[in-house]
Amino acid sequence: KAGVTQTPRYLIKTRGQQVTLSCSPISGHRSVSWYQQTPGQGLQFLFEYFSETQRNKGNFPGRFSGRQFSNSRSEMNVSTLELGDSALYLCASSFYGSPQETQYFGPGTRLLVL
Amino acid sequence: GENVEQHPSTLSVQEGDSAVIKCTYSDSASNYFPWYKQELGKRPQLIIDIRSNVGEKKDQRIAVTLNKTAKHFSLHITETQPEDSAVYFCAATSGGLVFGKGTKLTVNP
Repeated sequence: KAGVTQTPRYLIKTRGQQVTLSCSPISGHRSVSWYQQTPGQGLQFLFEYFSETQRNKGNFPGRFSGRQFSNSRSEMNVSTLELGDSALYLCASSFYGSPQETQYFGPGTRLLVL
Repeated sequence: GENVEQHPSTLSVQEGDSAVIKCTYSDSASNYFPWYKQELGKRPQLIIDIRSNVGEKKDQRIAVTLNKTAKHFSLHITETQPEDSAVYFCAATSGGLVFGKGTKLTVNP
């Protein structure tokens, strides 16, 4: 079974631009979660989608948004990029996103904001 | 919300020694505690997890213990090997996964 995939793998943007990242979950998984990883703050939860609905949200500003499609693929969007948004963005999938379910991570998209 | 503290931040051991990483959490409602290993430039990979109805779980050289009363859980790696060198993250569930800051483990040959 193919693992979680993310595109693109690398991105360079400038401040003020916006960016869209994509995540394809493991086949059959309906829950997709997004995380931001930085050296200073570590791994932080952004939001989780299940059946095209956002179920949980972390403590990030409204510039960070996401959506999920009927095939469970998910996108996240960051508008008005700031230098501090430079990070590795990871998505993870699971079947139902229940609290005791294992989440499987994708390889991440490394975003650099100049 | 949930807060996870992880110690130590760095750990250096000799090959063959044991390594122990400890985490504490704040939300008594958390009931799932996974451990992930992340090698440089790679995705986090689940190595072991424990659920709140279990006190200990073992998988070959890796074991995890959970003390729900004290709200702490630990990762134990025995007979460490150079390929165990990586950053290890503990986590607890509270909506999404809440991660500790990570422990960089170095196993010296």
